[in-house]
Amino acid sequence: AQSVTQPDIHITVSEGASLELRCNYSYGATPYLFWYVQSPGQGLQLLLKYFSGDTLVQGIKGFEAEFKRSQSSFNLRKPSVHWSDAAEYFCAVGASGGSYIPTFGRGTSLIVHP
Amino acid sequence: DTGVSQNPRHKITKRGQNVTFRCDPISEHNRLYWYRQTLGQGPEFLTYFQNEAQLEKSRLLSDRFSAERPKGSFSTLEIQRTEQGDSAMYLCASSLGPAPYNEQFFGPGTRLTVL
Repeated sequence: AQSVTQPDIHITVSEGASLELRCNYSYGATPYLFWYVQSPGQGLQLLLKYFSGDTLVQGIKGFEAEFKRSQSSFNLRKPSVHWSDAAEYFCAVGASGGSYIPTFGRGTSLIVHP
Repeated sequence: DTGVSQNPRHKITKRGQNVTFRCDPISEHNRLYWYRQTLGQGPEFLTYFQNEAQLEKSRLLSDRFSAERPKGSFSTLEIQRTEQGDSAMYLCASSLGPAPYNEQFFGPGTRLTVL
């Protein structure tokens, strides 16, 4: 069975500071990995995804994530946070075979101080 | 492209009542997905359709939950005999082809409150 752990419920950063959101997954083979952002009243938006290949993935809005198989991690990073990045961030994992049924983490709430 | 729309955005009902939610996917998207999101949790997959065919429904939470997509366009999710534990956000998503190779686009959700 696949699972996702986002160990941080809340993260607070100052505007302009760097950001790293943690995600650990459990899956027997190479999974499909995703990061989504959810702003209040908005639907989830895909930031980036990893299927295979280069383990450093670039996404939208200046985000990137790195797949580390040895650590079963897929952490999300941004070098300089903007106030508009305040939102809920979800990591998700999907099986690489069969019907695609994703498993989401519980989310990390990002608070940005001016 | 107006995105995925969901109606109503909010629904308050009394325990034991039936509720129905509607999802209108992005036109030409043949895949449609339903998720439930409870407070403080990530989305939980419920079911999905390819056109009008419901390809996966084993994750529907109980037999009180059912979904349809009769003409392969909009979809409805019905909950019969609602319980307080059904209070959650119900999300719909659509994709042009099979996920995860095709991006899922999510609607804003319908928030259900069962009193």
